[in-house]
Amino acid sequence: QKEVEQNSGPLSVPEGAIASLNCTYSDRGSQSFFWYRQYSGKSPELIMSIYSNGDKEDGRFTAQLNKASQYVSLLIRDSQPSDSATYLCAVKRVSNFGNEKLTFGTGTRLTIIP
Amino acid sequence: NAGVMQNPRHLVRRRGQEARLRCSPMKGHSHVYWYRQLPEEGLKFMVYLQKENIIDESGMPKERFSAEFPKEGPSILRIQQVVRGDSAAYFCASSLGTENTGELFFGEGSRLTVL
Repeated sequence: QKEVEQNSGPLSVPEGAIASLNCTYSDRGSQSFFWYRQYSGKSPELIMSIYSNGDKEDGRFTAQLNKASQYVSLLIRDSQPSDSATYLCAVKRVSNFGNEKLTFGTGTRLTIIP
Repeated sequence: NAGVMQNPRHLVRRRGQEARLRCSPMKGHSHVYWYRQLPEEGLKFMVYLQKENIIDESGMPKERFSAEFPKEGPSILRIQQVVRGDSAAYFCASSLGTENTGELFFGEGSRLTVL
């Protein structure tokens, strides 16, 4: 089982609709959860972080975390063509060496259709 | 405040040559991470370094790959005797400390092509 799993997509959503991206993780000891956006040929950039169960909203973005189900999601409301990118789910956990590190999923490619 | 700086942005090597990738973290950041990204895949952790120390190299291949972060100067990821399978984008990221591990700031990446 992969440590962090995402549906690779592609996920196509009409402009103005809600895009829903999902992620599951295997380590129950994971502490913090992040969504990064990566445009083609560019570096990842942090867009959301969430640390406790429930929802966290930031503008058009809402992150949802359910630790019991080991599930984290990202909702994008009023999707825009500029939201077309690959979205990477990342989970912070303690490694076997005792340090904390981020483990990334393979990413979901999102395309917003005008 | 300059971001994470990586160079070269693009590097072409023939099989058997050496590749050296450099990363200067954001000002004030003492923690450096290297990730590798193959086409259509996610970021794979390679190594985590602090100044003069390798903290976690669990993602580094056992042979040909090495990393350092000297007291002065950039962090360097070195790949000896490159093979075609080493072709990938190599991203460096930095953070203030482990408390902020999730808030990694990434460089633009170095794209290695092995002919």
